[in-house]
Amino acid sequence: DAGVIQSPRHEVTEMGQEVTLRCKPISGHNSLFWYRQTMMRGLELLIYFNNNVPIDDSGMPEDRFSAKMPNASFSTLKIQPSEPRDSAVYFCASSPGTERYEQYFGPGTRLTVT
Amino acid sequence: SQQGEEDPQALSIQEGENATMNCSYKTSINNLQWYRQNSGRGLVHLILIRSNEREKHSGRLRVTLDTSKKSSSLLITASRAADTASYFCATFRYNAGNMLTFGGGTRLMVKP
Repeated sequence: DAGVIQSPRHEVTEMGQEVTLRCKPISGHNSLFWYRQTMMRGLELLIYFNNNVPIDDSGMPEDRFSAKMPNASFSTLKIQPSEPRDSAVYFCASSPGTERYEQYFGPGTRLTVT
Repeated sequence: SQQGEEDPQALSIQEGENATMNCSYKTSINNLQWYRQNSGRGLVHLILIRSNEREKHSGRLRVTLDTSKKSSSLLITASRAADTASYFCATFRYNAGNMLTFGGGTRLMVKP
C-alpha cells in the first residue's frame, strides 16, 4: 500500500486566496483525521470523519476552514480566504478503526500564506 | 486541551546512551500510543500499550504504563543518531470517538 497520500506537498499563496489540500487515505481505513502543526501550538486536531461522516469539527479554527469527504478514498480541507496565520504543516491521517485505533499519517502539506 | 504531556520537552544524549521520555495524562484511557516524527515528516506509529498492560517491548523500545499514576514512559536503549526525532504520546478512549489526543512531544537529539 502507498500509505496516506497528500497533495500538494508545498503550497505558497497570497493572503485572501483559496487553498485546497487533498488527502487519499489508506484503502480500507474508515476514519480520517486532519491535523495542523505549528511550532507555537503543536499538533492540533482540526476535524475527523468516520465512514465519510464528519464526527467532530470543534478544532476547526474558523468558518474560513471547511472539510469534505465525498467518498472513502478522498478528502479535502479548504481555507477561504487564507491568512498568514494559517501558515503551518497540515497532516492527514487515517485509521482502520479497529480496537487498536492507531493512525497512519501522510507526509503533510507545508502551507505558507504571504 | 492536551491529554498527554511529555517530559522532558527536549533531550540531548550521546550515541549509545539510553533515552527515557515520560508522558502523563489526565483521564482514564483504553490504550496509549507512542509516535515518532522525523523533521519535515509525518508521525509514525511506534508502539501501543493497552490499559491492562504494564510493559511492552519492540526491538530497542520499551514502554511502561502506570494507570494508577496516569503515566507512561518510553525507553530507547543503545540510541543511534538515526533516533533523532520528536516523540509523541497519544491516548485513546472508546467513549471519546475514534480520535487520539496527542501530547506536545519530546525532541530527542542523539549526538554521534
